[in-house]
Amino acid sequence: GAGVSQSPSNKVTEKGKDVELRCDPISGHTALYWYRQRLGQGLEFLIYFQGNSAPDKSGLPSDRFSAERTGESVSTLTIQRTQQEDSAVYLCASSLAPGQGGELFFGEGSRLTVL
Amino acid sequence: AQSVTQLGSHVSVSEGALVLLRCNYSSSVPPYLFWYVQYPNQGLQLLLKYTSAATLVKGINGFEAEFKKSETSFHLTKPSAHMSDAAEYFCAVSPRTNAGKSTFGDGTTLTVKP
Repeated sequence: GAGVSQSPSNKVTEKGKDVELRCDPISGHTALYWYRQRLGQGLEFLIYFQGNSAPDKSGLPSDRFSAERTGESVSTLTIQRTQQEDSAVYLCASSLAPGQGGELFFGEGSRLTVL
Repeated sequence: AQSVTQLGSHVSVSEGALVLLRCNYSSSVPPYLFWYVQYPNQGLQLLLKYTSAATLVKGINGFEAEFKKSETSFHLTKPSAHMSDAAEYFCAVSPRTNAGKSTFGDGTTLTVKP
């Protein structure tokens, strides 16, 4: 497809389990972002990729959170030993390289519920 | 470093009234500026953007924003609010240089009363 694709769209898991969230950016977009949005809240920045490198991972809340990107394309956000406070919508966005316009294109998000 | 401040986390207007959502930015050089909208239970979509042309930018659904360098502001306006405008609005900045990431404000929830 032409847009940013995220999977799964919905994930329900039990506390303590690991989850993986996937993001397929728009082809040719070198920048990729992960955000977290709790119910009724704003966007919480998690991590930013430029190519396969992550120059800014300052938003990752704890060492239970990690992300990688391969082939300057797909990115995976992994949450280990999930906690109830991890419940949120995880949004992925991609854009052209910095300085080339800056518009972010967002996916529909992955809604994570930790029971 | 760049930053964005949205003044007022909640704004309420009557249908037909002026909408004004405030955004101020901080950046070492004038950045690209954006407004995004998030309707209930939907993803974010671009409302309008300022790159380098006219300082008054028109977007979708009758919204517009004016870039004021002297005030480092990029306020969003709409002359007459409609019920369908109720949503969360985010201001964002992006660097013009080849380094750095986009930065979002905390968002403003717009409520439109009948």
